[in-house]
Amino acid sequence: DQQVKQNSPSLSVQEGRISILNCDYTNSMFDYFLWYKKYPAEGPTFLISISSIKDKNEDGRFTVFLNKSAKHLSLHIVPSQPGDSAVYFCAASEETSGSRLTFGEGTQLTVNP
Amino acid sequence: DADVTQTPRNRITKTGKRIMLECSQTKGHDRMYWYRQDPGLGLRLIYYSFDVKDINKGEISDGYSVSRQAQAKFSLSLESAIPNQTALYFCATRETELTGYTFGSGTRLTVV
Repeated sequence: DQQVKQNSPSLSVQEGRISILNCDYTNSMFDYFLWYKKYPAEGPTFLISISSIKDKNEDGRFTVFLNKSAKHLSLHIVPSQPGDSAVYFCAASEETSGSRLTFGEGTQLTVNP
Repeated sequence: DADVTQTPRNRITKTGKRIMLECSQTKGHDRMYWYRQDPGLGLRLIYYSFDVKDINKGEISDGYSVSRQAQAKFSLSLESAIPNQTALYFCATRETELTGYTFGSGTRLTVV
């Protein structure tokens, strides 16, 4: 039972354009959402997060949008750069879980020069 | 030095062997986690610990055990390795519920 799903295994965009990575979840108790980026041979690194009391959080080129009614969040990267090429994981947690994260399957983003 | 260090980085072992993966952190955090990553499945939680005396099973703990030797050290053991435990294993630490994880660089384990 996959509670966090990233339905696109891969995404390819041109440098300078917008990258939109999507994530859906089924557990309505999730109240905190995070995005991680992973390069080959490295551990995932924390990118950006959003609490369920917000619908948008922005950090430089990265913006995360949360639509609670649709149980959907997305990560926007504008403008995309070749160095953004990595696997992006969506993750979610609920207050009662003791800070355990449930991860999606990941989306491989490739930004072409 | 890395905040979270995992050893070994790569390991090939035979079916039935016992193997230990080690993790140490310099962040001073109480919370530590072990995850495994498989293609198409993302990261799945094996075990987690909130302090030295607190160990909890994650969603896929069968076939694994852990030891929290100190606040900074959290090791994962495979008592009798089997081929479907071939995966990339990550240790992580976290300060609070509101902060992201800090992951180690991972251990690639192959069971033949």
